[in-house]
Amino acid sequence: AQSVTQLGSHVSVSEGALVLLRCNYSSSVPPYLFWYVQYPNQGLQLLLKYTSAATLVKGINGFEAEFKKSETSFHLTKPSAHMSDAAEYFCAVRGNNAGNMLTFGGGTRLMVKP
Amino acid sequence: GAGVSQSPSNKVTEKGKDVELRCDPISGHTALYWYRQSLGQGLEFLIYFQGNSAPDKSGLPSDRFSAERTGGSVSTLTIQRTQQEDSAVYLCASRGQDNYGYTFGSGTRLTVV
Repeated sequence: AQSVTQLGSHVSVSEGALVLLRCNYSSSVPPYLFWYVQYPNQGLQLLLKYTSAATLVKGINGFEAEFKKSETSFHLTKPSAHMSDAAEYFCAVRGNNAGNMLTFGGGTRLMVKP
Repeated sequence: GAGVSQSPSNKVTEKGKDVELRCDPISGHTALYWYRQSLGQGLEFLIYFQGNSAPDKSGLPSDRFSAERTGGSVSTLTIQRTQQEDSAVYLCASRGQDNYGYTFGSGTRLTVV
C-alpha cells in the first residue's frame, strides 16, 4: 500500500523567501505523485504531478518539485513566496489498485508574512 | 461542463436527518471518487465508481453512508441519520482516460447541528 507523509503541518515564510514543503512517500511500486493546493472554501487544484518522466517537475504559479527515489521524497519548492501563495498544500500518491485512488498526506498550511 | 460541479456548496442539517450530496463530473470522465475532508482526519477516500462496474465502497465509514451513480454520470452521496461527526467537507473528483488527470470539485461543507 502507498502512503504519504508531509512534514510540518504549518510552515511560515516571509514574502520573497524560499518556500519548501516536504513530502515523503512509501510505495512498493514506482509511484505517481501529485501536489495539490487548496485555497479557503475551495476544492483542490493541481499544482504539478510526477508520472515517471522527468524527475524535476514544473507546475503552475512558479512551483516545482523534484522526485528523489533514493530519499523517497517529492518536496515542493518555490524560489520566492507571494502573499497569494498562502493556502493549504497536499501531497498525494496514486494507488496501483484497480481504482487508482489518491492517498493524501495530512496537508501543510503555508503562511506568508509581509 | 468544464469542471466538476458539486451541490449544495453548504448544507446545515439537524442530527438524525438524512442528506444527499450531488456531484456532476466532467463530461466523459468514467472514474468518479468521493473523499471526505475533516479536521484531524485529513482527506479520506470514501467510494469509487468506474463506468458501469460495481463501485469500490471500501472507504465508507459506516452503513449510514451510501452512494450511487446514475447513467455513468451524476453521483449522489447519501448520509442517513446524520451524526455530528459527519460534519466535514465532502469532495468529489473525476478522472478520464488520462490516468493522472484527477479534477476535484469545490466540495460540499456539511454541518450537523
